[in-house]
Amino acid sequence: AQSVTQLGSHVSVSEGALVLLRCNYSSSVPPYLFWYVQYPNQGLQLLLKYTTGATLVKGINGFEAEFKKSETSFHLTKPSAHMSDAAEYFCAVMGRGIQGAQKLVFGQGTRLTINP
Amino acid sequence: NAGVTQTPKFRILKIGQSMTLQCTQDMNHNYMYWYRQDPGMGLKLIYYSVGAGITDKGEVPNGYNVSRSTTEDFPLRLELAAPSQTSVYFCASRPGRSSYNEQFFGPGTRLTVL
Repeated sequence: AQSVTQLGSHVSVSEGALVLLRCNYSSSVPPYLFWYVQYPNQGLQLLLKYTTGATLVKGINGFEAEFKKSETSFHLTKPSAHMSDAAEYFCAVMGRGIQGAQKLVFGQGTRLTINP
Repeated sequence: NAGVTQTPKFRILKIGQSMTLQCTQDMNHNYMYWYRQDPGMGLKLIYYSVGAGITDKGEVPNGYNVSRSTTEDFPLRLELAAPSQTSVYFCASRPGRSSYNEQFFGPGTRLTVL
């Protein structure tokens, strides 16, 4: 079975500072990993994903994440925070359902606040 | 393309009432999903479908039913609403069978059961 733990339900950083959102996963098979962002009163939007190949994955809006198998981690980073990055961020690991269905298992989410 | 649309946006139900949350996608995606989002709990999978006529349970299916008669529509039915079903419900869809494909989410339905 797959599971995801996001360390820290709330993270607050200053505008221009480094953003680091932590995600650890558990998976019995090679994992496919995702980060989604949710802006207020909206659905989820894919930021980036790791499937195979390069372990450093670049996504939209300047975010990137590094897959570290030895640490079972997939932390999300951004060098310089913008006010527009304020949102809730979800890490997810893919499980498999019937007939190839992709069943995402989500972490509990991290709310990112940006201070001016 | 409108993408994934959900109706209604908001709904208040009384205990024991029933309702159907509608989900439609116009991207010809085979796979569709229903999630619920509770504060501090992330999203939990309720049901999913791999194509018209084929559905399966997710993590938290109790109290819900689904059907998939067409590729486009995947309604979620609550038969006897309970306060524990107060949540935000998201529908999502995904094309094809490749695990690389992302899920596309609708804007959500906020349901309150009193």
